[in-house]
Amino acid sequence: GDSVTQTEGLVTLTEGLPVMLNCTYQSTYSPFLFWYVQHLNEAPKLLLKSFTDNKRPEHQGFHATLHKSSSSFHLQKSSAQLSDSALYYCALSGNAGAKLTFGGGTRLTVRP
Amino acid sequence: GPKVLQIPSHQIIDMGQMVTLNCDPVSNHLYFYWYKQILGQQMEFLVNFYNGKVMEKSKLFKDQFSVERPDGSYFTLKIQPTALEDSAVYFCASSLGSETEVFFGKGTRLTVV
Repeated sequence: GDSVTQTEGLVTLTEGLPVMLNCTYQSTYSPFLFWYVQHLNEAPKLLLKSFTDNKRPEHQGFHATLHKSSSSFHLQKSSAQLSDSALYYCALSGNAGAKLTFGGGTRLTVRP
Repeated sequence: GPKVLQIPSHQIIDMGQMVTLNCDPVSNHLYFYWYKQILGQQMEFLVNFYNGKVMEKSKLFKDQFSVERPDGSYFTLKIQPTALEDSAVYFCASSLGSETEVFFGKGTRLTVV
């Protein structure tokens, strides 16, 4: 079956430093990949999604590149902000929305 | 932006009792979902629902679980009877189509004692 792996459970870094959160996946088909962000006491919200190999979506300074050859969809940002502190979930789906398979999540804490 | 509301945010229930989790999806959405997240684990798909019917369910969706959305009101998840292992955060979600963005609620934390 499908699976998503996020190797870091916790990431702490200083404001202004680059962010990279890892996501790899296993699927028997060519899935759609997503990043969701959940701030404290808020609902998970879609951050960005990718449908095409090597296409790089961007949102709020975050970007991710889908590499089918390595089954990866790592989330990156050049300079972390305090407001980026949140829980980040990588997910995949067989189509653009329904039945998401989530990774375990990475809690990002950005310190001054 | 569009919001999915879940009521209540926390619920404590005695094992063996019935519980109904309520979800108010985005008003024009047609597809509805429940996900379950046990503490410290990942969010897992339970069921999706469209046009009054369950479209797909996972192995986590036990016989004690049921979903409905009578007359376009709340989308509900009922557990009867509850078991200790049902303790988790349950997230409701909705989408306009089967291939459009899915919007999540904040979740209901269910504690079965």
